[in-house]
Order: sequence, then structure tokens, then C-alpha cells
Amino acid sequence: GAVVSQHPSRVICKSGTSVKIECRSLDFQATTMFWYRQFPKQSLMLMATSNEGSKATYEQGVEKDKFLINHASLTLSTLTVTSAHPEDSSFYICSATRGTALDQYFGAGTRLSVL
Amino acid sequence: GESVGLHLPTLSVQEGDNSIINCAYSNSASDYFIWYKQESGKGPQFIIDIRSNMDKRQGQRVTVLLNKTVKHLSLQIAATQPGDSAVYFCADLIGRGGKLIFGQGTELSVKP
Repeated sequence: GAVVSQHPSRVICKSGTSVKIECRSLDFQATTMFWYRQFPKQSLMLMATSNEGSKATYEQGVEKDKFLINHASLTLSTLTVTSAHPEDSSFYICSATRGTALDQYFGAGTRLSVL
Repeated sequence: GESVGLHLPTLSVQEGDNSIINCAYSNSASDYFIWYKQESGKGPQFIIDIRSNMDKRQGQRVTVLLNKTVKHLSLQIAATQPGDSAVYFCADLIGRGGKLIFGQGTELSVKP
């Protein structure tokens, strides 16, 4: 089956620092990757759609300058949370698709805690 | 699905019983509906999907029912097992290339 690896699985950082999260498709080339955020006991909220070699498309209300997305290859997308603050603490999940949004494979998520 | 940011509803069932998890969606233009299982601290795992032109689809121990008239989706799990304990989300999609919109989710707890 298709495997999506997300790293790190957990990160604790100080307020004001930046954190980079990696999302890799291990055994397939991902045309599109998606980034979601999930607060405790809540649903997944799509943050942005990332296509290899082009700028990410951000959902309404998501600050593109705060959540930098780079999709440099067909197997790697990164999300950088810049100048993180405690309210950015959340569970960040990526997914990758081989073709359509219907065939999304999810990473295991990254738990970000900003102190 | 339409997430409203509320705390998750919970469903508690006895091992061996059948579980029914419900979901309401808002977009009548949705083409696909998908059920995901999310265990604590993990990403969502695909369970089953159904296209909007169907009203029922069965998988292994799971059945999804779609009622477009009332915009309602349900997931039935037969002979629920402790390993089924997780949060279940419905999601809908407009077109195969669209965006997944996740519903609120239901936390299923299976008592041995």
C-alpha cells in the first residue's frame, strides 16, 4: 500500500521560533499533497493544497506567510510554521495523493507544542 | 461534512454488537463520501467510500448508507471489536480532484 511518512512526530519549541515539518511519499510519486490542522477533539481542517513545483493554494483564513509550504519534489512537501506562538499548538497532518483527492494517503501527524 | 468545531460526540457499544455512526453533510453537490478511522495520535485511515449515485455500499464488516434526500450518511460496523475503538470521520468531496471536507467526527468506544 501507499505509505506517507511525516517527520517529526512530535516537536516542542519556544514561542517565536520556526518549526519545519516534512511529509514524504515513500513508495509513490505524489502529484498533490495536502496539509491539515486538527485541534483536540475536533475535526481536520484543510490548510493548504500543495502541488510540486508550484505555489501552494491556501484555504481562507490561513496565513501563507506564517505557514510556509514548499513542495520541491514529487515525494516531499514541507510545512514551516514561522514565529510559532502557543495558539499554533496543534496536530498537523499531511496527506499525499497519486492521482485525485479521493485517493489520499495520510501521514501519522505531527504534534506541535509551542511553549 | 461540515466541521463546526464542537467537541466530539461519543458512542459506546458492547463488544460484538453492531455500531451505527451518523454524519450529516451540507453540500448537495458532493460527489463522493468517505469514512475514515483515526486512532489516537495517528492520521486518518481510509475505511470505505461511496459515490453520490449509490445509496449503499458494503465492505468487510462495514456498510455505508447514503440518503441524499436528507443529506445523511451512516457507517455501520458489524460485530464491533475493541480494535474498532477510534474516532470516525465522514468526509465529502466535490469531483475527484476537489478538496476533502471533514465532518465533525464521532468517538467510538468498545467495551469488552
